Amino acid sequence: DAGVTQSPTHLIKTRGQQVTLRCSPKSGHDTVSWYQQALGQGPQFIFQYYEEEERQRGNFPDRFSGHQFPNYSSELNVNALLLGDSALYLCASSFYSGTGSGEAFFGQGTRLTVV
Amino acid sequence: DAKTTQPTSMDCAEGRAANLPCNHSTISGNEYVYWYRQIHSQGPQYIIHGLKNNETNEMASLIITEDRKSSTLILPHATLRDTAVYYCIVRVAGGNNRLAFGKGNQVVVIP
Repeated sequence: DAGVTQSPTHLIKTRGQQVTLRCSPKSGHDTVSWYQQALGQGPQFIFQYYEEEERQRGNFPDRFSGHQFPNYSSELNVNALLLGDSALYLCASSFYSGTGSGEAFFGQGTRLTVV
Repeated sequence: DAKTTQPTSMDCAEGRAANLPCNHSTISGNEYVYWYRQIHSQGPQYIIHGLKNNETNEMASLIITEDRKSSTLILPHATLRDTAVYYCIVRVAGGNNRLAFGKGNQVVVIP
């Protein structure tokens, strides 16, 4: 059973460019959440997708957007990259049902460096 | 979500039990205690969670005080591979709920 997979593992972009990160959730999961982790900090919640819609959003600007596909996979897009967007981007999958404990499983992350 | 307080860092001896404390004095009745850990440059790994009863799985044990204001994660026989940042998080159960990470507790297992 494949866990959460993310691609690419590393990425270098130039300020002002746009980037797309991809995530495939754990088998059986229908919800994908994205987190940003700056060096030395804990992960910060960006947003969550369920049934192809953004359900929750953290305190991130509109430059951060996403998408979820019918097969539950997801993309994170960041426009007009800033140096401060350099971070580890983590994808977590879970099962949306409110009756379950809802533990989330994380991928290995994409290390984005903006130069 | 209620906030948690953890030590910034701690050392543990290899082969001994590691007891990781967490304070969550403002926890609500419907909030669970979740533990995750993150080994350097990897994604966080789910360890265990509980509501009010003590819980045990193949990785660890979770002891929650009767008033639920604090808890302890116990790694029964710490190994060098347990060196990681450990996060204690409280939140309402359900896969639709976000995880609010703090800075965590950097645990180093010493040979």
